Amino acid sequence: GNSVTQMEGPVTLSEEAFLTINCTYTATGYPSLFWYVQYPGEGLQLLLKATKADDKGSNKGFEATYRKETTSFHLEKGSVQVSDSAVYFCALLGWNDMRFGAGTRLTVKP
Amino acid sequence: KAGVTQTPRYLIKTRGQQVTLSCSPISGHRSVSWYQQTPGQGLQFLFEYFSETQRNKGNFPGRFSGRQFSNSRSEMNVSTLELGDSALYLCASSNSGGSYEQYFGPGTRLTVT
Repeated sequence: GNSVTQMEGPVTLSEEAFLTINCTYTATGYPSLFWYVQYPGEGLQLLLKATKADDKGSNKGFEATYRKETTSFHLEKGSVQVSDSAVYFCALLGWNDMRFGAGTRLTVKP
Repeated sequence: KAGVTQTPRYLIKTRGQQVTLSCSPISGHRSVSWYQQTPGQGLQFLFEYFSETQRNKGNFPGRFSGRQFSNSRSEMNVSTLELGDSALYLCASSNSGGSYEQYFGPGTRLTVT
């Protein structure tokens, strides 16, 4: 079945550092890929998405590229802020089947 | 457009009781999915309803059940509560049956004592 594997956290960075959170997937067919973010005490918010190979999703300075050859969808940001501290989830949407990674907690220190 | 709403936001129950959680999807969305989130198990899929019919079901015991009404609002019920049922229960809606991205509500924090 479909599955998502993302790097374990927690990840701690200083403000303005470069962020990469790795995500790889296993799926049949052509899934859509997502990154969701969860701030303390809240539900998940859609951060960005990509629906086909080589698509790049971007939002709020975050980017991720759908790489079919490496089955990856790594999340990157060039310069993180304290307000980016949250838990990030990589997710895959196959046909009628949504799968989430375990989540990666990011803490950004001033 | 209003987002997904869940009520109540917080709930404290004792073992053996039952609980009902409610979810109102984004207007026009017909699919509602439920997830359980715990520190140990992460996000786990409970079930999905589309047009009042359960379409998919995760690997949870029969104590967990749900339903969807004609206006797409959904309820989730847990009977004979156990301590391990303490979790954040998240509801997500999408505008088609599993084919589009999901939008999440803020969740209901259930504590079982």
